[in-house]
Amino acid sequence: ETGVTQTPRHLVMGMTNKKSLKCEQHLGHNAMYWYKQSAKKPLELMFVYNFKEQTENNSVPSRFSPECPNSSHLFLHLHTLQPEDSALYLCASSQETASVYGYTFGSGTRLTVV
Amino acid sequence: QKEVEQDPGPLSVPEGAIVSLNCTYSNSAFQYFMWYRQYSRKGPELLMYTYSSGNKEDGRFTAQVDKSSKYISLFIRDSQPSDSATYLCAMNGNAGNMLTFGGGTRLMVKP
Repeated sequence: ETGVTQTPRHLVMGMTNKKSLKCEQHLGHNAMYWYKQSAKKPLELMFVYNFKEQTENNSVPSRFSPECPNSSHLFLHLHTLQPEDSALYLCASSQETASVYGYTFGSGTRLTVV
Repeated sequence: QKEVEQDPGPLSVPEGAIVSLNCTYSNSAFQYFMWYRQYSRKGPELLMYTYSSGNKEDGRFTAQVDKSSKYISLFIRDSQPSDSATYLCAMNGNAGNMLTFGGGTRLMVKP
């Protein structure tokens, strides 16, 4: 098990539901990320937080709302999603956004929107 | 043109074969190069890390960087069925930049 824990592992939600994804890292890192991974597509960076401050929003639709209450926890709040939002959502962390040593990823949440 | 190009595969090889996975890139500022392995239903895990040009070996795995050609490779010797996964290359430049990922190559090693 990595030092980055994501819950839930699987989520099925209707288009009118509201749900949240949770990420927790136990590595003492200061930067956290949300990525979207769709079938046969590269990793898509969604949001970046550095020392709890959002430093990047990669033109993500407002139906995705991130929250970072502290450097160890990251949430992704979901509402009125579309079927094309079905994907693997990955959380990652690093010592800082300028890390040259790569990121540590969680196992992801497999989201299905019906 | 994508900043990092990677053949999506799938690449199917018999057990024991030597596997070569490759990425090309366009940004000459990239200096730090990584390979991630992602098993099905799991997140990517860092496999190899190299800085600048040259080779790095770790067990059955060798990472090679040719900055003059903007080309990086991961070689797997004596491939095993447990090596079946998607391999993603990633890279960045000087401190201050975030990682840029390739699209991943799916590898299948058949017993």
